[in-house]
This record gives sequence, C-alpha cells and structure tokens, in this order.
Amino acid sequence: AQTVTQSQPEMSVQEAETVTLSCTYDTSESDYYLFWYKQPPSRQMILVIRQEAYKQQNATENRFSVNFQKAAKSFSLKISDSQLGDAAMYFCAYNSNAGGTSYGKLTFGQGTILTVHP
Amino acid sequence: DAMVIQNPRYQVTQFGKPVTLSCSQTLNHNVMYWYQQKSSQAPKLLFHYYDKDFNNEADTPDNFQSRRPNTSFCFLDIRSPGLGDAAMYLCATSTRQGAETQYFGPGTRLLVL
Repeated sequence: AQTVTQSQPEMSVQEAETVTLSCTYDTSESDYYLFWYKQPPSRQMILVIRQEAYKQQNATENRFSVNFQKAAKSFSLKISDSQLGDAAMYFCAYNSNAGGTSYGKLTFGQGTILTVHP
Repeated sequence: DAMVIQNPRYQVTQFGKPVTLSCSQTLNHNVMYWYQQKSSQAPKLLFHYYDKDFNNEADTPDNFQSRRPNTSFCFLDIRSPGLGDAAMYLCATSTRQGAETQYFGPGTRLLVL
C-alpha cells in the first residue's frame, strides 16, 4: 500500500516571503500522480497543483511550484510571495494510475497547517 | 459555474437516528466519492461510484451506505449514527477512474447528539 508523509504539522511564513512544505511518499508503482490540495478554514478542499510521475519537469501554477524528486520519492510545495489568503491546511496526496485496488484512490498525508503573518 | 454541491452544510442528528447527506454535481463526472474527515485529520475514503458501479472500502462500517440514482446525485446514508460518526463529510467527483483530479464540494458537518 502507498503511504504519504508530511513531516511538518505546522509552518509559518511572513507575508511576501517564500515557504516550502515537505512531502514524501512510498510506492512500488511507476504510474501515479501527486497532488497538493489546500483546505482553508471554510473547509472546501481546493486543488493547488498536480504532478504526473512520468513527467520530469516540475509543475508550476503561478506562485506555486513543486520540487518533484522521483528517485527520492519527495514532492515538496514552494509558495512564493506568500499572501494572507494562502493560510490553510495543505494536504499532499498520491493517486495510483496503475490499476489494482488502489486505482484512482487518493491517499492523503497528515496535512500541514500554514500560517501567514502580516 | 460547474461545481460540486453538498446539502445541508450543517446537519444535527440524534444518536441512532438515520440521516442522509446529499451531493450533486454539474460537472457531468463519471466518478463520485464520499470521504469522512475528522477534526485535524486527513480525509478518509468511504466509498465511490464509477457510474453505477459501487465500490466500498474494506474498512467502511456497515452503518454507512450510499445511493447514486443518476449521474448528478449521490447520497450518503448513515443508518444509526454514533457519537464517533460526528465529522465533516466530503463529496468529490472526477471525470473517470484513475489518477484524475478530484473536485471537492464544501462538505457537510455532521453533529451527533
């Protein structure tokens, strides 16, 4: 079974600064996707960024980028120019595309609470 | 805007009194998921539908059931809620099975008295 680990229960950043959230995962599969989801206090889960395992290029979405290290099974999220609205719980998630019992099911990490200080 | 809608946003029920939570989507997605999320924890998948094909997670209690009468709607039925079932229930959809992006609704917070 796949596992996802977020080793930082809480992180904080000053507004306009950069912060990196860590995520590691364990899998024996080669075909999978990785996601970062954001869950603000309003609780709606929102997709931040997605990475396909077979793509070496790191995904980028505006101020959000990832550092995907497939061999190390590491998938960190960098938030540049942090804004107050970035404050939320961030979940790293793995989704298998390889068939089998885990096919299409999201496995979440424990989450990291990000606080943004003005 | 296309979206995932959950009703009600807050639901209070009594211990042992059946309750139904509703999810609808205008995305025309084939797959619908139900997650349970307890405070400060990651969401836990309860089951999902791929079209009309129901897939139950092995550790989902029998107390939880689901119905999907059509593409747009999916219901979560809790037959006899216990205090431990108090949680946020999240509905999500995706275009197909596989590692597709899942789109989440706002959730229903269930309180059991």
